[in-house]
Amino acid sequence: DTGVSQDPRHKITKRGQNVTFRCDPISEHNRLYWYRQTLGQGPEFLTYFQNEAQLEKSRLLSDRFSAERPKGSFSTLEIQRTEQGDSAMYLCASSLAQHRGTNEKLFFGSGTQLSVL
Amino acid sequence: TQLLEQSPQFLSIQEGENLTVYCNSSSVFSSLQWYRQEPGEGPVLLVTVVTGGEVKKLKRLTFQFGDARKDSSLHITAAQTGDTGLYLCAGGVISSNYQLIWGAGTKLIIKP
Repeated sequence: DTGVSQDPRHKITKRGQNVTFRCDPISEHNRLYWYRQTLGQGPEFLTYFQNEAQLEKSRLLSDRFSAERPKGSFSTLEIQRTEQGDSAMYLCASSLAQHRGTNEKLFFGSGTQLSVL
Repeated sequence: TQLLEQSPQFLSIQEGENLTVYCNSSSVFSSLQWYRQEPGEGPVLLVTVVTGGEVKKLKRLTFQFGDARKDSSLHITAAQTGDTGLYLCAGGVISSNYQLIWGAGTKLIIKP
């Protein structure tokens, strides 16, 4: 399977714990996005990388969230001191594009469903 | 703030019926994408429209971008149970901070 892979699929944690999610994009894709989605809503942009550079981060993103893509391949998203409001589906998407533009096609993974108790 | 409003939020119809769902905004978008998302999965891109008035067909699905590039519609002919899912529209904005603006989706259930 050469699609976008996310791990784990589900994560249950207690409030205050740290969690880390991993995303493996399609191998030749240079762009990688993280989104968050809650029930009944569309995806909410969190951050995006072009190769290993983090080019944009949502202003809504708390300092408790950090993402890395150290070698321009897989990426990790860490949430520190989780809160109940962090409960959501965390989606990763990748694309192959030279310039962010109108015809960029995003390929999404299956997501990590986070539940904070 | 650019917003995309999708309507209806929820639609349940019988197999074989036709339906149209809408994606509207007061803002102009350079492109409009439609995705379908199934429970527990990520969205899957169906189509991208970029020209005002553009119509694209994907089997029984017809997508249209409004002339002013502020709205779009998705029409499904003779719906099948396999069409069940959450249909999301996402508008692209050309700017220094280009990113997709997402609607909240239309949840479609096709009953056998």
